[in-house]
Amino acid sequence: KQEVTQIPAALSVPEGENLVLNCSFTDSAIYNLQWFRQDPGKGLTSLLLIQSSQREQTSGRLNASLDKSSGRSTLYIAASQPGDSATYLCAVQTGAGSYQLTFGKGTKLSVIP
Amino acid sequence: EAQVTQNPRYLITVTGKKLTVTCSQNMNHEYMSWYRQDPGLGLRQIYYSMNVEVTDKGDVPEGYKVSRKEKRNFPLILESPSPNQTSLYFCASSSRTGRSPLHFGNGTRLTVT
Repeated sequence: KQEVTQIPAALSVPEGENLVLNCSFTDSAIYNLQWFRQDPGKGLTSLLLIQSSQREQTSGRLNASLDKSSGRSTLYIAASQPGDSATYLCAVQTGAGSYQLTFGKGTKLSVIP
Repeated sequence: EAQVTQNPRYLITVTGKKLTVTCSQNMNHEYMSWYRQDPGLGLRQIYYSMNVEVTDKGDVPEGYKVSRKEKRNFPLILESPSPNQTSLYFCASSSRTGRSPLHFGNGTRLTVT
């Protein structure tokens, strides 16, 4: 059974810092990996989706990488801002034919002005 | 506006009283799914549907039912709710599983007393 772990569980950084969030998964036979953002009391917003054949995806100040063989993904946030404060979750979809999605428990990020 | 709409946002009920949480999307998405989010356990998939009349179990389907009679709607049914189903529930949809990001609703907070 797929297990997804996110480290650290919480992170506090001063504004302007570059930071890295980590996601690891136990079964490398994934179809894709997604990074989401969740604000308190709200639903999840998709940030980046990486197909299993891709190594990275970029959107603005965000860059996500995927290393299937080692079961790892990282989300890099450049020049962090207070508005980036939220919980970040990664989720992996298991291989073609199975559409189950497994989420990590998230990293709660606080960016201090 | 493209969106996933869940109703109600908040629901308090008593043990054993059947209830339905509705989910509707206006993006003509084939894939829809339900999740529950609990402190310390993260997001877990309940059921998903690949298209009309096609549904399958996720990780925690016990005590829940779903139906997909129309493409846009995917209601979650609790026939005999119990206190351990108190949780925050999310519905999500996407156009092609694995190739496009998930769009989430804003959630339904259910309390079963």
